[in-house]
Amino acid sequence: DGGITQSPKYLFRKEGQNVTLSCEQNLNHDAMYWYRQDPGQGLRLIYYSQIVNDFQKGDIAEGYSVSREKKESFPLTVTSAQKNPTAFYLCASTLKGNTEAFFGQGTRLTVV
Amino acid sequence: ELKVEQNPLFLSMQEGKNYTIYCNYSTTSDRLYWYRQDPGKSLESLFVLLSNGAVKQEGRLMASLDTKARLSTLHITAAVHDLSATYFCAVDPTSGSRLTFGEGTQLTVNP
Repeated sequence: DGGITQSPKYLFRKEGQNVTLSCEQNLNHDAMYWYRQDPGQGLRLIYYSQIVNDFQKGDIAEGYSVSREKKESFPLTVTSAQKNPTAFYLCASTLKGNTEAFFGQGTRLTVV
Repeated sequence: ELKVEQNPLFLSMQEGKNYTIYCNYSTTSDRLYWYRQDPGKSLESLFVLLSNGAVKQEGRLMASLDTKARLSTLHITAAVHDLSATYFCAVDPTSGSRLTFGEGTQLTVNP
């Protein structure tokens, strides 16, 4: 079945640690996105990538980093510079020229 | 900067009643999307509206788009408990670019 897989589903981070969230898609989609969702709020764009080896900052990129070495994969690293990382992180993908986004199941990150 | 505003943000309604959720946006667009999110879950695509006057219906939900008014509506007919969820609209200001989401409308349907 085609889809977007995020892992892990739950992640706990200690203060000062970097953690990496995985996002893989087998939909042959060109563009991939990372969103952050805080409780009771909408989605805010962190980073997005429309082609391999290229990505752009979204609205809240500070404290995050990404890479896009393969079309299928768009991992997100939450660095120690992100002071309030506890949130629900959603990865999405779209076909080129078509912005209907398909979402993964999300990763819930908690700082302990 | 594109702004997308939904109202109401919270909606509590009785089963069997009708109601409309509104999505206003600030710049020209002819592409608008509606998503549903259940608590603790991801987003599920409901409707894709790609032109002025577009209307889509699925079960008790109907979505429409008026690009001149920069307004989309999500109408709920004879609500049932299973419709309880948060509904998001999202707008694409230019073809093939990033989506901007509204804040979401948290709908609770009471028996």
